[in-house]
This record gives sequence, structure tokens and C-alpha cells, in this order.
Amino acid sequence: QVQLVESGGGMVQPGRSLRLSCAVSGFSFSNYGMHWVRQAPGKGLEWVAVTSSDGSKRHHAESVKGRFTISRDNSKNTLYLQMNSLRMEDTAVYFCAKAKWHSGAYYPLDYWGQGTLVTVSS
Amino acid sequence: QSVLTQSPSASGTPGQRVTISCSGGSSNIGSNTVSWYRHLPGAAPKLLIFSNSQRPSGVPDRFSGSKSGTSASLAISGLQSEDEADYYCAAWDDNLNGYVFGTGTKVSVL
Repeated sequence: QVQLVESGGGMVQPGRSLRLSCAVSGFSFSNYGMHWVRQAPGKGLEWVAVTSSDGSKRHHAESVKGRFTISRDNSKNTLYLQMNSLRMEDTAVYFCAKAKWHSGAYYPLDYWGQGTLVTVSS
Repeated sequence: QSVLTQSPSASGTPGQRVTISCSGGSSNIGSNTVSWYRHLPGAAPKLLIFSNSQRPSGVPDRFSGSKSGTSASLAISGLQSEDEADYYCAAWDDNLNGYVFGTGTKVSVL
């Protein structure tokens, strides 16, 4: 069955960096777009970034543009989120999610991981 | 601040029908299809509706979606206690070049 498992979360000081990983199995990873979505404490879901199936196209939310970078390694069935210059407002549970269609639109998101918590605090 | 607006809460008794609305604009709901997700704290969000009104396999037909212009709605009929959760609409936004979620609606079963 489809599985997405995030890792790499933890506590980090403001201004530092962290890299999240999402290991996937159960589907042909290289055929699907992939997303990162986050949820800050007490807040709703916020989309963070998407990458195309081959990694050639990437889009990031304005709130993270220039600081976060989504990438993927199709040989390792793994999605990444490099987070630099972290701010306290980046504190959230970060979910990776799979796009439903293997071509065309990046949405909807049909499978999600359980999430990994990132806490930015001094 | 999300560009898709939902009412913060909705409630009903078991067996009732509850409707959740989602208001957007021409660059998101007006131009692209709407999806709905259910999220329980500590769990992975789940896709309930895609392409405005389609249900993934395994989602009961108690859940239905519709779209008109720049608004969309999710209806839950035959409300059950396990339907208590947060519900989010979402759509691609052509201006932002990104995926946007609604503000979320907390559904309570009285």
C-alpha cells in the first residue's frame, strides 16, 4: 500500500537550517508530483511547496520563497524540504503529500504522511 | 491569511445534514477544480472530494461536493459521530501559482 513517512523534524534555533525527508513506497514515485503542507499549532493547513514528477518544475508559497527549497531524488524514492533561515513562525507539523494524477495538474493530494514536527525556538 | 474563506464551525445531531461553504475568487475556485480534505488532530489529512464533486474510492456517498462560480460547498448527510473533524477546501490559484487551502471548518456532532 501507499506509504509516506516524514523525518528530520526537531527543535532548532531561529536563523538555523533543517532538512526534512519523506520516504515513499507503494507507488511509482517518479511519476507523480509531490507537495509539502504544514500546520502551525492551532492553525489550519498551509501549502508550502510542490515539485513536478521529474523535479524540473517547483513552486513555493510566498511565505517560504527564498528560504525553503523542495527537491526530490527519484532513485531513492525520497522527497526533501531544505529549510534555511528558519523563523519562529515556521513552527509547524510538516506533511508530505502525493498528487493524484501522474500528469497534468499537481492536485488533488490523495495520500499524505503523518507529519513531522518542526519547532523553531531560542 | 488564506484566500479561501470558510465558516469556522458547523454542527448537527446524528443523522442530520450539514453543509460547509468555501468562498474564493476568479483565480482559484473560479478557474480550477475544488477538493475537500478531512483532518483529525495528529492524523494524516484525507482526501474526501476532488474535481468539485468526485469521491475517491472508499469515501461514502454521504459526502458530496458542488461548485458554482467562485464558491464551493461540501455536504455531509446522515451525520455520524466519527464525522467530527476539521474540513478544508482547496484549489490551485493561478495568480499565486500555488495551492491554497481554506481557513477550515470544525464540524461537531451534538
